[in-house]
Amino acid sequence: AQSVTQLGSHVSVSEGALVLLRCNYSSSVPPYLFWYVQYPNQGLQLLLKYTTGATLVKGINGFEAEFKKSETSFHLTKPSAHMSDAAEYFCALGGGYQKVTFGTGTKLQVIP
Amino acid sequence: SAVISQKPSRDICQRGTSLTIQCQVDSQVTMMFWYRQQPGQSLTLIATANQGSEATYESGFVIDKFPISRPNLTFSTLTVSNMSPEDSSIYLCSVEGTGTGEPQHFGDGTRLSIL
Repeated sequence: AQSVTQLGSHVSVSEGALVLLRCNYSSSVPPYLFWYVQYPNQGLQLLLKYTTGATLVKGINGFEAEFKKSETSFHLTKPSAHMSDAAEYFCALGGGYQKVTFGTGTKLQVIP
Repeated sequence: SAVISQKPSRDICQRGTSLTIQCQVDSQVTMMFWYRQQPGQSLTLIATANQGSEATYESGFVIDKFPISRPNLTFSTLTVSNMSPEDSSIYLCSVEGTGTGEPQHFGDGTRLSIL
């Protein structure tokens, strides 16, 4: 069985501060990992993905995530938060024809 | 990536009624997925819909409550039947990634409120 754990259902940062959203996973096979963002009244938009290869992956809007197999983690970071980053972020495991398992989500609040 | 259109984008319905949600994709896809996102919750897979076969439902979801059609490779519908306030959720359609490990792509969802 596979699972995804997101630590912190709500995270608040000041504008310009570092954003760190945590994601840990459990998988019996090499994982495919994704971060999605959901803005209010919208669907899910893919931020970035890890399949194989480079463990530091860059996504849209300045976000990046590092795959650490030894820690079973895939944390999402952004060096400087912007007001427009306020949204809910979901870490997900799986993809393609596989069933996708989502984390419980982290709501990011950006304080001016 | 595929462009996915869902209709309606939102609706307010009376309890006991049914609503059919449509999902249209701009390219042919083998697998389509229907998710439910209850208020303040994550996404839960309802069923997987392959063209030409019966949908495969996840534990806790049944065909009588959530009948699904998949008449061709670009279209699917999800019906929420005999609705109650507990069915108030966002319902999202997604399509398969383009290969092994590729991400699914999502529509904007249907926001459903039951009075």
